Amino acid sequence: DTEVTQTPKHLVMGMTNKKSLKCEQHMGHRAMYWYKQKAKKPPELMFVYSYEKLSINESVPSRFSPECPNSSLLNLHLHALQPEDSALYLCASSLRQGQDIQYFGAGTRLSVL
Amino acid sequence: TQLLEQSPQFLSIQEGENLTVYCNSSSVFSSLQWYRQEPGEGPVLLVTVVTGGEVKKLKRLTFQFGDARKDSSLHITAAQPGDTGLYLCAGSGGKLTFGQGTILTVHP
Repeated sequence: DTEVTQTPKHLVMGMTNKKSLKCEQHMGHRAMYWYKQKAKKPPELMFVYSYEKLSINESVPSRFSPECPNSSLLNLHLHALQPEDSALYLCASSLRQGQDIQYFGAGTRLSVL
Repeated sequence: TQLLEQSPQFLSIQEGENLTVYCNSSSVFSSLQWYRQEPGEGPVLLVTVVTGGEVKKLKRLTFQFGDARKDSSLHITAAQPGDTGLYLCAGSGGKLTFGQGTILTVHP
């Protein structure tokens, strides 16, 4: 089983809303990642968690707030987003940070109005 | 900073044709992954190549890793409309370094 589950699949929010994206994996992976992807472009790394601790923040604006409650779950809290934040948000996991194979979820398609 | 140059960026072909996608870098990668992504979905891992000179086959897809582990290629034989999608190479060396992607369209 190499499944990474993301919810919701689609999300529409206003610029004053607060929402959260969720990601779950049960592969025993200890590294989890958030990526942002614009149409027809490669994913851009946002955050990396290793053993439930934030390891990398790629200078992401504070309106994006990640959280890793346990080794299987990863959240991305959203607040006061801008229309340019509309994108596909992907979660991925790997056995360890820096381990070769990252498995991706299906993503959350976010639209900010 | 490690960079992966992927080419071509766009490929539009007829069903039954062959094609090759290239990924090149001046950096050495410990391994390289190829992903395929359909619109609105996440990237799906196709293969990982680890050893310099390695060749892997997945049905009509053939993947090669360069001897120096700096470049890779994906060759598709007799492309089908179901092969349509965004193909991404990604090099591993701490973080995943993605190529710019190749948008493949196979027309029936």
